Amino acid sequence: DTAVSQTPKYLVTQMGNDKSIKCEQNLGHDTMYWYKQDSKKFLKIMFSYNNKELIINETVPNRFSPKSPDKAHLNLHINSLELGDSAVYFCASKWRGGPGELFFGEGSRLTVL
Amino acid sequence: DAKTTQPTSMDCAEGRAANLPCNHSTISGNEYVYWYRQIHSQGPQYIIHGLKNNETNEMASLIITEDRKSSTLILPHATLRDTAVYYCIVRVSGGGADGLTFGKGTHLIIQP
Repeated sequence: DTAVSQTPKYLVTQMGNDKSIKCEQNLGHDTMYWYKQDSKKFLKIMFSYNNKELIINETVPNRFSPKSPDKAHLNLHINSLELGDSAVYFCASKWRGGPGELFFGEGSRLTVL
Repeated sequence: DAKTTQPTSMDCAEGRAANLPCNHSTISGNEYVYWYRQIHSQGPQYIIHGLKNNETNEMASLIITEDRKSSTLILPHATLRDTAVYYCIVRVSGGGADGLTFGKGTHLIIQP
């Protein structure tokens, strides 16, 4: 079983559309994250959720709205997609009180045309 | 979190030990050294972490200098599957909801 799973793996869409990426972890972790990796391969944190509560929002445009229905899920909804949103989005999870080991999903490649 | 400096890229022959250096001269006393790697098109993968003692697990060894200003990740018998970008990250104890800040990393290429 995949520990951190994301869907879809690939997403191609037009500018202006709204899309969602889903993430689920079956590790029993209480903290989940979204990271963005752009074309230059920089991996940057976007959001952090602990027990469904938003902890970190790294100056991400409000077109991005994470939603955590429960501890095991953290979905990312993006409104009015722009060309610059094209990237690979990674979900990750950990125990808040743990040693810091993050478990990452395989990524969702978003292409905005 | 303290910043780290890593070489942009390195080559290593298959079967040899790969030694990846990392400088973190501004590391604080309560900051750990973490290593992750990202194989092409996959999510980052945790390798190892340590505070001041050397650490070893099934994947690698971590050697931290006595002054903690630098460290070396050692892959004892590199294989082609070890070709990846390796990230050295320093941060305070893993507790808390703070994520990790990834730099540019070292692109390690294992040559057959």
